[in-house]
Amino acid sequence: GDSVTQMEGPVTLSEEAFLTINCTYTATGYPSLFWYVQYPGEGLQLLLKATKADDKGSNKGFEATYRKETTSFHLEKGSVQVSDSAVYFCALSDPNSGNTPLVFGKGTRLSVIA
Amino acid sequence: DTAVSQTPKYLVTQMGNDKSIKCEQNLGHDTMYWYKQDSKKFLKIMFSYNNKELIINETVPNRFSPKSPDKAHLNLHINSLELGDSAVYFCASSQDRRREHGTDTQYFGPGTRLTVL
Repeated sequence: GDSVTQMEGPVTLSEEAFLTINCTYTATGYPSLFWYVQYPGEGLQLLLKATKADDKGSNKGFEATYRKETTSFHLEKGSVQVSDSAVYFCALSDPNSGNTPLVFGKGTRLSVIA
Repeated sequence: DTAVSQTPKYLVTQMGNDKSIKCEQNLGHDTMYWYKQDSKKFLKIMFSYNNKELIINETVPNRFSPKSPDKAHLNLHINSLELGDSAVYFCASSQDRRREHGTDTQYFGPGTRLTVL
């Protein structure tokens, strides 16, 4: 079945450091790909998405590019802030179904220190 | 203006009790979901409903019974609660991607933290 693998955390960075969180997927078709963020004590918020190969999703300084050849959707940010501390989830959905649930990676906890 | 709301936010109860968690979405979406997040933050689908009809039922014990009185509501009832049911439960909704302007983006509620003692 479909699956998502993302790098194990926790990741600890200093403010203004460069962030990369790796995400690779396995799917039978061409899924849509998502990054969700969960701030402490809160629910999940959609951070960005991409629906086809070579699409780049971006939001709040975060970017991720849908790479079909490497089945990857790595999350990057050039300069992280303390407020970016959260758990980040990579996810996919199967475009062949009208009502598909998301398949999530295990989440990566990011801590940014001042 | 909350898009997806859940009640209660926290639920503490004894083993063996029966409890319900309610979910409502005001986005006009056709599809609603329940996910379980365990203590290690791993998220897994439990159920999916489309227009009040059960679409997906993962390997969830029979003690869990979702109920959808209308397409804006998907409630989760749990019988005979066990210690292992302690988790955060998230409701989500999405528009059917097959509809015009449909998209597979899911919108999540704030979660319900269930603690079984």
